[in-house]
Amino acid sequence: TQLLEQSPQFLSIQEGENLTVYCNSSSVFSSLQWYRQEPGEGPVLLVTVVTGGEVKKLKRLTFQFGDARKDSSLHITAAQPGDTGLYLCAGAVPQGGSEKLVFGKGTKLTVNP
Amino acid sequence: ETGVTQTPRHLVMGMTNKKSLKCEQHLGHNAMYWYKQSAKKPLELMFVYSLEERVENNSVPSRFSPECPNSSHLFLHLHTLQPEDSALYLCASSQGGTGYTGELFFGEGSRLTVL
Repeated sequence: TQLLEQSPQFLSIQEGENLTVYCNSSSVFSSLQWYRQEPGEGPVLLVTVVTGGEVKKLKRLTFQFGDARKDSSLHITAAQPGDTGLYLCAGAVPQGGSEKLVFGKGTKLTVNP
Repeated sequence: ETGVTQTPRHLVMGMTNKKSLKCEQHLGHNAMYWYKQSAKKPLELMFVYSLEERVENNSVPSRFSPECPNSSHLFLHLHTLQPEDSALYLCASSQGGTGYTGELFFGEGSRLTVL
C-alpha cells in the first residue's frame, strides 16, 4: 500500500501555462517536504511545510499544506522549461517512538518551449 | 554542486561481479544514507549511518553491503546482484541520523545496470 500518492504521475505542458500537482495520504504528517530532481541529478529540497494550512511561496512556486496535515499541493505559475523535472513529496510519519521520512513516486513534469 | 559526490555515475555489471559505489560528503554532516530509486517506485531507504555507526537497515538483501569508514565517506559493496537490482542508487547526507526528518542533501546518483 502506497502511503503517499502523488498525482498526476506525468504532466507535459507548454511554457507559460500554470499547473498544480498533488500529494495525498490518509496519514497525518508532522512535516512535509517537496524536492525537485532534474534529469541526471539528485533531488534538491524546495520547501518544508510544518503547520496545517501553511502556504509558502518560492518565486513562481506556491506550496500548501492541508489543514489536517494529510495532503499538500504545489502550484507553478507561468511554467518555464527550467521547471522540468521530477517533483517528489516526502512526509514525516511516526515510527517506533521516532519518525521516518517516506517519499511518494513523484510527478514527472515536462515544460516545452 | 550539492556537496555530496558519488562515483561512478554509471556502472554496468554482470551477476557474478563484485563492485563498489562510493559517496563522499563535504558538508560536515554526521549522517549518511543510501537510497534506491527505481522506475515507478518511491525512493526506498536502504541504510542509515549516524556517526559511522549503522543505525538503520531496511531489510536489504545481503548482496548489498554498506561500509562507513568515517563520517565523510560511505560505500555500497555489491556482489552477485540480480537484474531487478538495476536502479539509480542515491547517497544523501544530513545533520542527523535515526528519526531525522529534516533536509537531505543528495548526490547525483550512480546508475547501476545488472546484466
